[in-house]
Amino acid sequence: ILNVEQSPQSLHVQEGDSTNFTCSFPSSNFYALHWYRWETAKSPEALFVMTLNGDEKKKGRISATLNTKEGYSYLYIKGSQPEDSATYLCAPYGNKLVFGAGTILRVKS
Amino acid sequence: NAGVTQTPKFRILKIGQSMTLQCTQDMNHNYMYWYRQDPGMGLKLIYYSVGAGITDKGEVPNGYNVSRSTTEDFPLRLELAAPSQTSVYFCASSYTASSGSFTDTQYFGPGTRLTVL
Repeated sequence: ILNVEQSPQSLHVQEGDSTNFTCSFPSSNFYALHWYRWETAKSPEALFVMTLNGDEKKKGRISATLNTKEGYSYLYIKGSQPEDSATYLCAPYGNKLVFGAGTILRVKS
Repeated sequence: NAGVTQTPKFRILKIGQSMTLQCTQDMNHNYMYWYRQDPGMGLKLIYYSVGAGITDKGEVPNGYNVSRSTTEDFPLRLELAAPSQTSVYFCASSYTASSGSFTDTQYFGPGTRLTVL
């Protein structure tokens, strides 16, 4: 079972701030890294899937990078908006998908 | 498409009671999963299924049973409920080609909040 760590545990930012958080995982036995967004009272929804070292994905103001050699991924949000408030989960795939505890983001208007 | 549906939304059980959490998907996905989510913890995989008639244990299977008689349905059974099973339960599904599953997106249901007193 992969040990997945996400930091920070929670984050409170003002509208318009840019922010980033980290997902760390063992670099051995790794095939892919998934990011999910989980809004309160809803279900987790997929954001990105990345497989290659140096991979970078972007969706609107949200982007993510992957470093498989050192075992981490960053998620960036540029110009945070209140609708970005959610828990962001990362999940590396070794022989199964293993979810981190998530980073809770709250954006104040 | 309704996607992944779960019933009930909420349930309170007494210790020792049994119940079945229902999960149905209408996307013709072959893989289905059950997770539990406890405060401050990630989603933990309980059981999964790669197709009708095939199930396998995940990380935390003790105290649970599953069956998969159809592609659409994947019920989770608690036989003797214990307070440690108080959690939010999520069902998910994905379509996975025979070549591998590591990039396949999982689609989640709305969850069932279970309290065992």
